[in-house]
Amino acid sequence: DQQVKQNSPSLSVQEGRISILNCDYTNSMFDYFLWYKKYPAEGPTFLISISSIKDKNEDGRFTVFLNKSAKHLSLHIVPSQPGDSAVYFCAASSTGAGSYQLTFGKGTKLSVIP
Amino acid sequence: KAGVTQTPRYLIKTRGQQVTLSCSPISGHRSVSWYQQTPGQGLQFLFEYFSETQRNKGNFPGRFSGRQFSNSRSEMNVSTLELGDSALYLCASSLEGGLSDTQYFGPGTRLTVL
Repeated sequence: DQQVKQNSPSLSVQEGRISILNCDYTNSMFDYFLWYKKYPAEGPTFLISISSIKDKNEDGRFTVFLNKSAKHLSLHIVPSQPGDSAVYFCAASSTGAGSYQLTFGKGTKLSVIP
Repeated sequence: KAGVTQTPRYLIKTRGQQVTLSCSPISGHRSVSWYQQTPGQGLQFLFEYFSETQRNKGNFPGRFSGRQFSNSRSEMNVSTLELGDSALYLCASSLEGGLSDTQYFGPGTRLTVL
């Protein structure tokens, strides 16, 4: 049973436009959410996070929105750049899990077209 | 500051053999987590070590084990290898393994079981 789902395996966006990556979760115990970016042959790189006490967190071109009632979060990238082309993973964790155990989605491959 | 390093980067083994993977965390980081990435299952949490103790464990069989040394370096061992163990094994480190601690990933070890 997949607790974190990224239903779009891939997404193509024109350079300069907005990229919206979506993520749904089923475990109501999750209270911390993260996005990671992964280039080929490299490990995932932390991008941005959000605690369940917030509904929005912004860092430069990246904004994460959390809708707890819908158990849905999204990552907005504005404006999109060719260097943003990578696989994006949504991850979740809960304080109830004790230490840091991330549950990942299967990823969305973003292609930004120049 | 040097990032997380993993050795070896690539490994080929045959069924029934055992393998040991190594991870050196970022200096000062005391928490080390291991993840398995496969195309079908995505990134899955294996276990987390903190101060030489396994603090959290995912849903993997006992063939998967690990340990952490006093300098926070960690090793992961897989015994009696199966074809399905072919995967990218990622190690991540963080300061204390707390909920809001950022996890930094290494480049991974690509294990192929023939």
